[in-house]
Amino acid sequence: KAGVTQTPRYLIKTRGQQVTLSCSPISGHRSVSWYQQTPGQGLQFLFEYFSETQRNKGNFPGRFSGRQFSNSRSEMNVSTLELGDSALYLCASWENYGELFFGEGSRLTVL
Amino acid sequence: AQTVTQSQPEMSVQEAETVTLSCTYDTSESDYYLFWYKQPPSRQMILVIRQEAYKQQNATENRFSVNFQKAAKSFSLKISDSQLGDAAMYFCAYRSALNTDKLIFGTGTRLQVFP
Repeated sequence: KAGVTQTPRYLIKTRGQQVTLSCSPISGHRSVSWYQQTPGQGLQFLFEYFSETQRNKGNFPGRFSGRQFSNSRSEMNVSTLELGDSALYLCASWENYGELFFGEGSRLTVL
Repeated sequence: AQTVTQSQPEMSVQEAETVTLSCTYDTSESDYYLFWYKQPPSRQMILVIRQEAYKQQNATENRFSVNFQKAAKSFSLKISDSQLGDAAMYFCAYRSALNTDKLIFGTGTRLQVFP
């Protein structure tokens, strides 16, 4: 099986812009979750989706949003980018309480 | 709210030696899962070992084993016969047994392995 695929791997944006990150889970996995990783805050949970429904949301402002499609692929969007949004965004998928598999991440730099 | 604490920002070990990484957590739940994840430089996070809270027996995966002390809320990782490829960031993580895949991570321990 192919692993969790995240695109793009690297991107540079400027303040005020918006960005959309994509995550394709492992085939058969219906649950997708997103994490933000920064040197200062570490790994923080953003949100999780199961069968197109947001099941849980972390403590992030409304500028951060996500969705999941019927094929389980997920996107997250960050609007009105701030310098502090620079981070590695990790996506993970799992199936029925099994192991959580992570993608390689999308590294966002906001200038 | 649950929290996970890793008090060792950095650790080092010589090849073939044994090292133990510490992790403590706080929760009011009785059923949960604990994990150790490894994140090599510029590479993806991979699962090292997992422990179900209802299991008293400590989990073991080849050279990796845990010391799970539920009452003390402690979950340390022991790496035996350390190899150069073990050098990475190690994260301890907690997940509720409720219907969620949300992981709560510690701040990580950077492990260096010297030849």
